[in-house]
Amino acid sequence: DTGVSQDPRHKITKRGQNVTFRCDPISEHNRLYWYRQTLGQGPEFLTYFQNEAQLEKSRLLSDRFSAERPKGSFSTLEIQRTEQGDSAMYLCASSFVAGVQETQYFGPGTRLLVL
Amino acid sequence: AQSVTQLDSQVPVFEEAPVELRCNYSSSVSVYLFWYVQYPNQGLQLLLKYLSGSTLVKGINGFEAEFNKSQTSFHLRKPSVHISDTAEYFCAVSNNAGNMLTFGGGTRLMVKP
Repeated sequence: DTGVSQDPRHKITKRGQNVTFRCDPISEHNRLYWYRQTLGQGPEFLTYFQNEAQLEKSRLLSDRFSAERPKGSFSTLEIQRTEQGDSAMYLCASSFVAGVQETQYFGPGTRLLVL
Repeated sequence: AQSVTQLDSQVPVFEEAPVELRCNYSSSVSVYLFWYVQYPNQGLQLLLKYLSGSTLVKGINGFEAEFNKSQTSFHLRKPSVHISDTAEYFCAVSNNAGNMLTFGGGTRLMVKP
């Protein structure tokens, strides 16, 4: 098991461009989460999937953000018309839920810089 | 709603000294509690977790934490730190049904030789 992987690790883009990030969870993990972490802060929840269903979205997730997990395995997070305020580390986590207890395992993150 | 407060943004300590990183939470329901460590330019690594049972939880790298329900605290401790423990430490809580984690603002542990 290689853990949660994210691609790319770093992305620099110009304001107004669209970007897409990918997350590959730990094999057979049924939940997948996206968080955003700005400099000097703790991660903030964005959204999560149970298999392919998107079950919850934070108010932080504006309509410029969209996430998918089409086959219940990998997930993508797209940001349209990027703004400088989108600059942050985007973290993905996965877990296997059995009953009510779960532990989330995080990937290395994708650091986005919007110029 | 739930929230997490990490009272110290930075904790400087000399190598081989003991350390305590403080975490307080608020929640209207039962909680699960976690400590994660983040090294520079990396993701979060789970140190330890409290789900139920014994209130003293032991984790990796010699860290331990104690869940105190009456004081709504989950402080992280290590009896003797190493230079390699220098990192950002995050306390997090999830509610009774699992799912989203709510994180504190983090504590930067700086171990000096």
